[in-house]
Amino acid sequence: DQQVKQNSPSLSVQEGRISILNCDYTNSMFDYFLWYKKYPAEGPTFLISISSIKDKNEDGRFTVFLNKSAKHLSLHIVPSQPGDSAVYFCAAGFSGSARQLTFGSGTQLTVLP
Amino acid sequence: EAGVAQSPRYKIIEKRQSVAFWCNPISGHATLYWYQQILGQGPKLLIQFQNNGVVDDSQLPKDRFSAERLKGVDSTLKIQPAKLEDSAVYLCASSAGTGAGNTIYFGEGSWLTVV
Repeated sequence: DQQVKQNSPSLSVQEGRISILNCDYTNSMFDYFLWYKKYPAEGPTFLISISSIKDKNEDGRFTVFLNKSAKHLSLHIVPSQPGDSAVYFCAAGFSGSARQLTFGSGTQLTVLP
Repeated sequence: EAGVAQSPRYKIIEKRQSVAFWCNPISGHATLYWYQQILGQGPKLLIQFQNNGVVDDSQLPKDRFSAERLKGVDSTLKIQPAKLEDSAVYLCASSAGTGAGNTIYFGEGSWLTVV
């Protein structure tokens, strides 16, 4: 039972263009969402998060959008840089309890120079 | 600030053998997690500790996996006996507190291959 899904295993984008990574979830009780970035042979590193009371959160080149009615979130990277090439995981959780994050299967982003 | 430390980084064992992984969390972090990441999948929580107590071990295969955090700091994860399907990266992570509002910091992982 995959509660968090990333349906695109890979995405290629030209440097300077926008990268859009998508994530869908099924559990309507999730109220906190995060994106993690993972380089090869390293652990995932936190990138950006959003609470369900918001529909957008921005941090520099990274913006996360949340559509609660569609149970969908997306990560926009503008402009994309070759150093952004990595696997991106979305994760969902419950802000008010000790129950921990459920991760998607990841999307490999390749930014072409 | 030192990050989450894990060892060994890589381990190859035969099926039915045992293996142990060690983790030292970020100083002061009360919550420690062990995740299993199989190739092509996202990390899956195996066990979560709050100080030296277990908060959630519902997805830990207890017939072969065990974990402890005796003094509320370092932790070890043991697999005995290992199966082929245990081949994965074992990620240790820590956070200052519980709940999704606390950022979880991951170590580099321990890569296990069972042959």
